[in-house]
Amino acid sequence: AQSVTQLDSHVSVSEGTPVLLRCNYSSSYSPSLFWYVQHPNKGLQLLLKYTSAATLVKGINGFEAEFKKSETSFHLTKPSAHMSDAAEYFCVVRHRNRDDKIIFGKGTRLHILP
Amino acid sequence: GAGVSQSPRYKVAKRGQDVALRCDPISGHVSLFWYQQALGQGPEFLTYFQNEAQLDKSGLPSDRFFAERPEGSVSTLKIQRTQKEDSAVYLCASSFVPGLAVTYEQYFGPGTRLTVT
Repeated sequence: AQSVTQLDSHVSVSEGTPVLLRCNYSSSYSPSLFWYVQHPNKGLQLLLKYTSAATLVKGINGFEAEFKKSETSFHLTKPSAHMSDAAEYFCVVRHRNRDDKIIFGKGTRLHILP
Repeated sequence: GAGVSQSPRYKVAKRGQDVALRCDPISGHVSLFWYQQALGQGPEFLTYFQNEAQLDKSGLPSDRFFAERPEGSVSTLKIQRTQKEDSAVYLCASSFVPGLAVTYEQYFGPGTRLTVT
């Protein structure tokens, strides 16, 4: 079975400081992993995805994530937070080579302090 | 360009009423997905269409939930005899790639917030 755990329901950082949103997954097969962002009253937007190529994945808006198989983690980072980064972030897992639906984590709400 | 649109954006229903939620996917997208997002939770898969065929409805919580996509474009999610536990945001997503095994991006609509009183 596959599952995904986002370790923090809320994260607060000051503008200009680094962001770390943690995600651990469980998968019996080689997973594909995604991060989505959800701004209020807007649709979910894909930030980045890992599908078995490079383990360090760069996404939009300066975000990146590193796939660590030994730690079953796919944490999202950004060197310097902007006010516009305040949103809900979802880590998502899917088995590769299996016709399974994607599983969302419960989300992490990122607050940016001025 | 036009993205995925959903209507209505907000719906209040009294318990026992039927509701219909509409999704307009991106033109030409083969795959269409419905998700249910309860307050404070991540989206959960409800059902999947490839063109007009409903290939997976394993996530529909009860037989009160019904979805259709008769011409392979617009889709409607219908909930009969709504209950309070149906209150959630219902998200629609589409993709130009067929199949549930999607590593390509799903494009999400803004959702319909359903409140059952």
